[in-house]
Amino acid sequence: AQSVTQLGSHVSVSEGALVLLRCNYSSSVPPYLFWYVQYPNQGLQLLLKYTTGATLVKGINGFEAEFKKSETSFHLTKPSAHMSDAAEYFCAVSEGGTSYGKLTFGQGTILTVHP
Amino acid sequence: GAGVSQTPSNKVTEKGKYVELRCDPISGHTALYWYRQSLGQGPEFLIYFQGTGAADDSGLPNDRFFAVRPEGSVSTLKIQRTERGDSAVYLCASSLTSGSGYEQFFGPGTRLTVL
Repeated sequence: AQSVTQLGSHVSVSEGALVLLRCNYSSSVPPYLFWYVQYPNQGLQLLLKYTTGATLVKGINGFEAEFKKSETSFHLTKPSAHMSDAAEYFCAVSEGGTSYGKLTFGQGTILTVHP
Repeated sequence: GAGVSQTPSNKVTEKGKYVELRCDPISGHTALYWYRQSLGQGPEFLIYFQGTGAADDSGLPNDRFFAVRPEGSVSTLKIQRTERGDSAVYLCASSLTSGSGYEQFFGPGTRLTVL
């Protein structure tokens, strides 16, 4: 069975500071990994995904994440936070290969950006 | 084009009542997923359709929950004899086809409150 743990339910940063949201996963097969963002009263939006190949993945809005198999991690980073980044972020895992794509989500991290 | 839409956006009902939640996927998407998001938690998988058939309903919590997709497009999630514990946001997502590499596009959700 696969699972996702997001360390820190709330993260607060100053505008312009580094954003680091942590995600660890467990999976019995090579995983596909995702980060989604949820703005208030909006649906989940895909930020980036890792399937195969390059372990450093770049997404929208300046976010990137690195797949580290040895650490079973997929942490999300952004060099400089912007006020518009305030939202809730979810890490998710799906079994790759012939899996149909069912997602298992972490519990989410609320990012607050201070001026 | 239009994204995934869900109706109603909010539903308040009394314990023991029957409710139906509707999902309109992106046109041409053959895969459709239902998730449930409780307060402070990440979305949890309920059921997945490929075309008209439910390929995996392992996430449905009990036999009070049922979902259909009769023409391979619109889907309805049905909950009988609602309980207060059913209160949550119900999310629908669609993707071009099944498989872990395909992005799931999420609707804004239906917030269900059972009094």
